[in-house]
Amino acid sequence: AAGVIQSPRHLIKEKRETATLKCYPIPRHDTVYWYQQGPGQDPQFLISFYEKMQSDKGSIPDRFSAQQFSDYHSELNMSSLELGDSALYFCASSLEAAGREQYFGPGTRLTVT
Amino acid sequence: RKEVEQDPGPFNVPEGATVAFNCTYSNSASQSFFWYRQDCRKEPKLLMSVYSSGNEDGRFTAQLNRASQYISLLIRDSKLSDSATYLCVVNGNDYKLSFGAGTTVTVRA
Repeated sequence: AAGVIQSPRHLIKEKRETATLKCYPIPRHDTVYWYQQGPGQDPQFLISFYEKMQSDKGSIPDRFSAQQFSDYHSELNMSSLELGDSALYFCASSLEAAGREQYFGPGTRLTVT
Repeated sequence: RKEVEQDPGPFNVPEGATVAFNCTYSNSASQSFFWYRQDCRKEPKLLMSVYSSGNEDGRFTAQLNRASQYISLLIRDSKLSDSATYLCVVNGNDYKLSFGAGTTVTVRA
């Protein structure tokens, strides 16, 4: 079965640079979520979109923004990168009508140097 | 205080053993409950949803106690491949998932 696709899988950036992470949800899923997982930590919710509208917002820095496009893929834009932004970034998708069981992509490992 | 608290373990058990562990959640308005497993540096994978009546999926049994606000997971006949971190996950009346810090299980030959 098709899973969530994330790109790139690995990204190395320098401080103050920008990064864009992409997420392609499971076909027919209408909700996308972004999570950040630091070393040794559990995933922290950043933001979610349902039918291309922001549905919930968590601990997402103001330097980050995200959107969901008409084809349901989503992009997380990160500017003025800091060393502390180094983490695994997971995208998950779900079908709103199906109890919101979330399925995670393989993640993007971002390293800020 | 975290919204979801788990015993971090580790639980070190021999193949074929039964292992069980719990988590507690603080938000009494929580609506949905899940167990995910996460292998090192990989994505969380949905193991099972947890229903009020309790549910079983093969060797895995999950229970939910809403009155005491805890969720349990029991693994029977442990396999080496069950070695992982098990994440207790709770969803309130919103879109985000709240994760516990995970319980580490190591199954030895």
